[in-house]
Amino acid sequence: DIQMTQSPSAMSASVGDRVTITCRASQGISNHLAWFQQKPGKVPKRLIYASSSLQSGVPSRFSGSASGTEFTLTISSLQPEDFATYYCLQHNSYPYTFGQGTKLEIK
Amino acid sequence: QVQLQQWGAGLLKPSETLSLTCAVYNWSLSGYYWNWIRQPPGKGLEWIGQINHSGTTNYNPSLKSRVTISVDTSRNQFSLKLNSVTAADTAVYYCTTGWAYWGQGTLVTVSP
Repeated sequence: DIQMTQSPSAMSASVGDRVTITCRASQGISNHLAWFQQKPGKVPKRLIYASSSLQSGVPSRFSGSASGTEFTLTISSLQPEDFATYYCLQHNSYPYTFGQGTKLEIK
Repeated sequence: QVQLQQWGAGLLKPSETLSLTCAVYNWSLSGYYWNWIRQPPGKGLEWIGQINHSGTTNYNPSLKSRVTISVDTSRNQFSLKLNSVTAADTAVYYCTTGWAYWGQGTLVTVSP
């Protein structure tokens, strides 16, 4: 199985901060990496697909990038509605695997 | 707009079979894979498996011995069965495709 090591597991930040969340794959996954946002009691929402493509309707403050097996989700200027849990997903190899999640809280 | 609507029993006893169905609206099952995901309370997401319109499946090895995913193209639906459930199978179960379209989720609780 491909392990997706996501970091940090939790963080606190302030409105307006720039935030970076990372997922490292245990082996190559091409660009088959998506990022999701999940709020309590809600369905996961895809933010980024193909490692760096922005989902339609998602604010441009969200961006994704990749370098080898390291993938990054960046929120350029945190807004109050961005406080949530974020997950990465690799869908390159079976079984598909998610990162452990990053809980982003208000400082 | 693609819509997924899922349903199934929400309370099971240990050793029973979990059964969920996901209906797809405004989209054909053809040409895509249709996935099941689960999330135990307070924990992360786990991929269970997937199926395409012709019935080709891929399962998570951690659940493969207990999981069956099937498709009914005439009804534009796909289903999940998980047998011999235990408390560890208590979770919210989601159906999804393309990772952009998700069902509303079904909380399945396994309790004696």
